Amino acid sequence: SQQGEEDPQALSIQEGENATMNCSYKTSINNLQWYRQNSGRGLVHLILIRSNEREKHSGRLRVTLDTSKKSSSLLITASRAADTASYFCATARWGGADGLTFGKGTHLIIQP
Amino acid sequence: GAGVSQSPSNKVTEKGKDVELRCDPISGHTALYWYRQSLGQGLEFLIYFQGNSAPDKSGLPSDRFSAERTGGSVSTLTIQRTQQEDSAVYLCASSFLDYQETQYFGPGTRLLVL
Repeated sequence: SQQGEEDPQALSIQEGENATMNCSYKTSINNLQWYRQNSGRGLVHLILIRSNEREKHSGRLRVTLDTSKKSSSLLITASRAADTASYFCATARWGGADGLTFGKGTHLIIQP
Repeated sequence: GAGVSQSPSNKVTEKGKDVELRCDPISGHTALYWYRQSLGQGLEFLIYFQGNSAPDKSGLPSDRFSAERTGGSVSTLTIQRTQQEDSAVYLCASSFLDYQETQYFGPGTRLLVL
């Protein structure tokens, strides 16, 4: 099964509202990365958080990591129509020989 | 170019043919990864090249899949005797040193096997 599991699978909110997505994983990790994907093509990197970090910010994005609960959250504040996309969390285990393990993603729709 | 590039963007082939997909990583990046994305399987890891070290091929879905990385830069993913279940978007990524850093993805190659 997928290491990362995003929740919810789909989310629809009004423009200007905040969007929160959650991710859970199963094993010990080196880092966790969040990506955005539009129209099923290239993945755009949003933020990387290491296992010894608890929170990171980048512009309107805020990511938290709780290694005791093996979970992470991505918060997008003041959402815009352009934020409509699929969002994936991906975990890198120590050693990295098996690359990133992705969840199934959250499809976010921002209603104008 | 500043990013990871992949070619071709799209490839349509007939079942049983061989295909070769190419990835140019970001200049200076020593780590290179291949993934594929399909409706049924989501995003799955295929193989990881770390510098000039021999890769671990255990993530490749079958022995019809092979990958090379020449001179520590460009990589090719070859699929022999393609099957319809190989239809997917094949994504390449690179990172500066290794798995502990951000992976930057290319736009992908969309493969359709008829």
